[in-house]
Amino acid sequence: DSGVTQTPKHLITATGQRVTLRCSPRSGDLSVYWYQQSLDQGLQFLIQYYNGEERAKGNILERFSAQQFPDLHSELNLSSLELGDSALYFCASSGQVGSGELFFGEGSRLTVL
Amino acid sequence: AQSVTQLDSQVPVFEEAPVELRCNYSSSVSVYLFWYVQYPNQGLQLLLKYLSGSTLVKGINGFEAEFNKSQTSFHLRKPSVHISDTAEYFCAVKSNYQLIWGAGTKLIIKP
Repeated sequence: DSGVTQTPKHLITATGQRVTLRCSPRSGDLSVYWYQQSLDQGLQFLIQYYNGEERAKGNILERFSAQQFPDLHSELNLSSLELGDSALYFCASSGQVGSGELFFGEGSRLTVL
Repeated sequence: AQSVTQLDSQVPVFEEAPVELRCNYSSSVSVYLFWYVQYPNQGLQLLLKYLSGSTLVKGINGFEAEFNKSQTSFHLRKPSVHISDTAEYFCAVKSNYQLIWGAGTKLIIKP
């Protein structure tokens, strides 16, 4: 158990819809990262937050947004969903900025029909 | 910009045989290198890391990796694999406070 909790574990929705994925980091970790993993694109870094502030942005689409709240949990919002957004979305947390040691949740599997 | 290349997308190997998973990175002044493992239906977890010091790094589950600066490589090895090692393995390098990931190598254990 990494200590990182993601909900929901599975989500099935239709094209055009909007979903919110939630992540609770390990106790005390200030950094949260979001990743997308799909068969064709592999593991893609989306965005990082540190103590409520956006720290780095990766290949995140404009239809996607995220935030980290004062209690350090984070949410990833995906809107105007397309079939190609079907993927595993991972959240990871880190206690030491830039250490490279990330603790991953078990992921949220999104299926867009 | 840093990049990481995992040369094999899949590596099939017989149970109890040795295995090497290859990873090369683009050169830099100093590098911090990592191997992560993703077991089926799970998130990634850290297998081992190289920050400095000895070039031979030991990790969990009997894995080890060797940092080779001249060849810009960080290959992962295990002398004898088990069916439980079936997983995808990711090499990563730290660059500007971010991790740059390889494409992953699926380790397939044949009975």
